[in-house]
Amino acid sequence: QKEVEQDPGPLSVPEGAIVSLNCTYSNSAFQYFMWYRQYSRKGPELLMYTYSSGNKEDGRFTAQVDKSSKYISLFIRDSQPSDSATYLCAMSGGTSYGKLTFGQGTILTVHP
Amino acid sequence: ETGVTQTPRHLVMGMTNKKSLKCEQHLGHNAMYWYKQSAKKPLELMFVYSLEERVENNSVPSRFSPECPNSSHLFLHLHTLQPEDSALYLCASSLRVTNTEAFFGQGTRLTVV
Repeated sequence: QKEVEQDPGPLSVPEGAIVSLNCTYSNSAFQYFMWYRQYSRKGPELLMYTYSSGNKEDGRFTAQVDKSSKYISLFIRDSQPSDSATYLCAMSGGTSYGKLTFGQGTILTVHP
Repeated sequence: ETGVTQTPRHLVMGMTNKKSLKCEQHLGHNAMYWYKQSAKKPLELMFVYSLEERVENNSVPSRFSPECPNSSHLFLHLHTLQPEDSALYLCASSLRVTNTEAFFGQGTRLTVV
């Protein structure tokens, strides 16, 4: 079983839709949870950073962490074509030091 | 721009060649990382450096040799690679190894022929 599971998609939605991206994980020591956005031919860009359980909102983006279910989500409201990218979840904690464990990434396309 | 610069952006090399990837960060960070990104696979951590000292080698074959001469620069020396080593190689940095907010460079797209 992979430490972090993420549905690779692809996911295609119309402009203005609410997008829900999810990851599950198996390591209960994970405490830090991140979402990265990666455009084609670019490096990953840090989008959201959350510590432990709870919600965090930044503009159109909301990150949720449910440690009891080992489940994290990223919601994108009023999605735009410019949101089309691959979204990567990442997490760390426990004895993993600075090591980030990534999901496979979900390819999202928002069409006009 | 994230403050992490990688060169070259693209590299094609034969299996007998020796080449080096370069990474430079202008963020004042003390930790630097090499990751490998292959198609349809999660990013894989290769090496971690903290204040120029290697603190993790994630079971990477010896044909990959990292070098960190100072906290701003990181190299990945490549020799006798295999075609399956073709991938996007990403450099990242963070304030400290215990700080998990990592900032990535654009990557070097490596093709081994």
